[in-house]
Amino acid sequence: GAVVSQHPSRVICKSGTSVKIECRSLDFQATTMFWYRQFPKQSLMLMATSNEGSKATYEQGVEKDKFLINHASLTLSTLTVTSAHPEDSSFYICSARGFTDRAFFGQGTRLTVV
Amino acid sequence: SQQGEEDPQALSIQEGENATMNCSYKTSINNLQWYRQNSGRGLVHLILIRSNEREKHSGRLRVTLDTSKKSSSLLITASRAADTASYFCATAPDSNSGYALNFGKGTSLLVTP
Repeated sequence: GAVVSQHPSRVICKSGTSVKIECRSLDFQATTMFWYRQFPKQSLMLMATSNEGSKATYEQGVEKDKFLINHASLTLSTLTVTSAHPEDSSFYICSARGFTDRAFFGQGTRLTVV
Repeated sequence: SQQGEEDPQALSIQEGENATMNCSYKTSINNLQWYRQNSGRGLVHLILIRSNEREKHSGRLRVTLDTSKKSSSLLITASRAADTASYFCATAPDSNSGYALNFGKGTSLLVTP
């Protein structure tokens, strides 16, 4: 099946710094990529949808200036958490969709802001 | 946005027993998918059932879909301790939404030896 690689799997950063998370589709071209966030013992919440070469569409309540999404190629999307604070600590997971009706998920990134 | 609701929220059974989890949703869908997530890990795709399908099997998994009731169930037969995980249903809306999935709140399954 299709493989989506997400990096890093874990990151600890200091409050006020920025963190970049990469999501790559390894063996297919991803026309659309999605970013989700999951707080402990909760479900996944969609943060934003990005299409290659265009601006991301953010869900209500998600600050686009804080969570910068770049989808510059058909195989790579990045999420940058800017000026991270402890409340941004969460599990971030991406998914990528090619030309089928399934989206494939990365392994997720555990972000801890101290 | 979240639209699925699973029940029960938590389920504890013994090895060998069957586990049934239910999912309800609100809007029309293109398909419904079930995922497993071990604690602190990524998602494992279990099964996808399309809106024109009523039942699907994969190994020890059986999924049903009732679009008239907007509900689905996941049955795990002959459960094993390794099945301990959280299970989520996710719906793909029947619209041109870019195919973002709406996840339910999940069922936490504990299978004891």
